[in-house]
Amino acid sequence: KNEVEQSPQNLTAQEGEFITINCSYSVGISALHWLQQHPGGGIVSLFMLSSGKKKHGRLIATINIQEKHSSLHITASHPRDSAVYICAVGSGIQGAQKLVFGQGTRLTINP
Amino acid sequence: DTAVSQTPKYLVTQMGNDKSIKCEQNLGHDTMYWYKQDSKKFLKIMFSYNNKELIINETVPNRFSPKSPDKAHLNLHINSLELGDSAVYFCASSQDIRLRTDTQYFGPGTRLTVL
Repeated sequence: KNEVEQSPQNLTAQEGEFITINCSYSVGISALHWLQQHPGGGIVSLFMLSSGKKKHGRLIATINIQEKHSSLHITASHPRDSAVYICAVGSGIQGAQKLVFGQGTRLTINP
Repeated sequence: DTAVSQTPKYLVTQMGNDKSIKCEQNLGHDTMYWYKQDSKKFLKIMFSYNNKELIINETVPNRFSPKSPDKAHLNLHINSLELGDSAVYFCASSQDIRLRTDTQYFGPGTRLTVL
């Protein structure tokens, strides 16, 4: 079992729908990261959070440390949001933080 | 201005060859990383250097050798390439791996195909 599990693995929705992607982890973390991988392959960091909630435009990320769970929400989804969304947790090794990744959620937004 | 750049973008080579992938960052970061993304799109860390010092070395075959001539560059040399080395390799950088909340910036990736 992977230390970081995402669900769903694939998600297809219509433009305008509210999207939720979930991430659960089993290790102690310093921070949780949400990344976006474009269809062309590039990876961009969307959020880094260690508590509470962050919002950037139509994207919202939340984390519940006690439950070891995070969600990424997209409001008013658009075809340009189609990408793979990756959850990663920062885990400390002797003071050095390394990222452990989930398997990704492939999101497709149809017009 | 590209923050984290990698060359080449694509690399096709025969089994048994030796190849290198170069990575450069112009963000003034102290830490650089190499990640491997397999055919199922699963990312896994390989190495991390902080200020030219090896910090993280995951269970990677000895055929893979990172080299950091200065903190802006982290190259990956692979000896005796095998079919299973085919993957996309991503370089990344961050301000300082020792920070609890340290955002990483990724390069565009190098798609390696071993025939």
